[in-house]
Amino acid sequence: KAGVTQTPRYLIKTRGQQVTLSCSPISGHRSVSWYQQTPGQGLQFLFEYFSETQRNKGNFPGRFSGRQFSNSRSEMNVSTLELGDSALYLCASSLVAGYNEQFFGPGTRLTVL
Amino acid sequence: SQQGEEDPQALSIQEGENATMNCSYKTSINNLQWYRQNSGRGLVHLILIRSNEREKHSGRLRVTLDTSKKSSSLLITASRAADTASYFCATDARDNTDKLIFGTGTRLQVFP
Repeated sequence: KAGVTQTPRYLIKTRGQQVTLSCSPISGHRSVSWYQQTPGQGLQFLFEYFSETQRNKGNFPGRFSGRQFSNSRSEMNVSTLELGDSALYLCASSLVAGYNEQFFGPGTRLTVL
Repeated sequence: SQQGEEDPQALSIQEGENATMNCSYKTSINNLQWYRQNSGRGLVHLILIRSNEREKHSGRLRVTLDTSKKSSSLLITASRAADTASYFCATDARDNTDKLIFGTGTRLQVFP
């Protein structure tokens, strides 16, 4: 069974631009969660989607948004990028909603210049 | 804010020694999980322990949970160089926020 895949793996953007990251969960998994990881703040929860609906959202500004498609693939979008958005963005999938075992992708390393 | 705080922040040991990491959390939980992260990569799930369990084993891993002290420990026995990684605890707080919240992590270095 293929694992969670994230694209792109690396991304360089400049301040003010926007970016879209993609996550394909493990086949059959319907829940997708997104996390931001930085050296200063650690792993921070962004949001969780289940069956195309956002179940929960972390304490991030409205510039961070996401969606989930009918095939469970998910995208997250960050608009008006700031230097502080530089981070490793991790996606995780699980069979059902809630917080049992999560399977993580390799992450997208975003650098904002 | 993070639910879990881990200590030590960093730990260096020799191969064959045991490594113990601790996690403390703030609110009541349904379960607590431990994950491993190799440098700059995704996390790998190690073990989940439910709030009504006190101890759980998986291979060389032993996890304990003390809900009265709001703390958990992860013991890796007979460590190997390949165990070098960061280890995180994660809790789902029973405070209706329904989030999985990660601790600050312990960086483990195992020298051959």
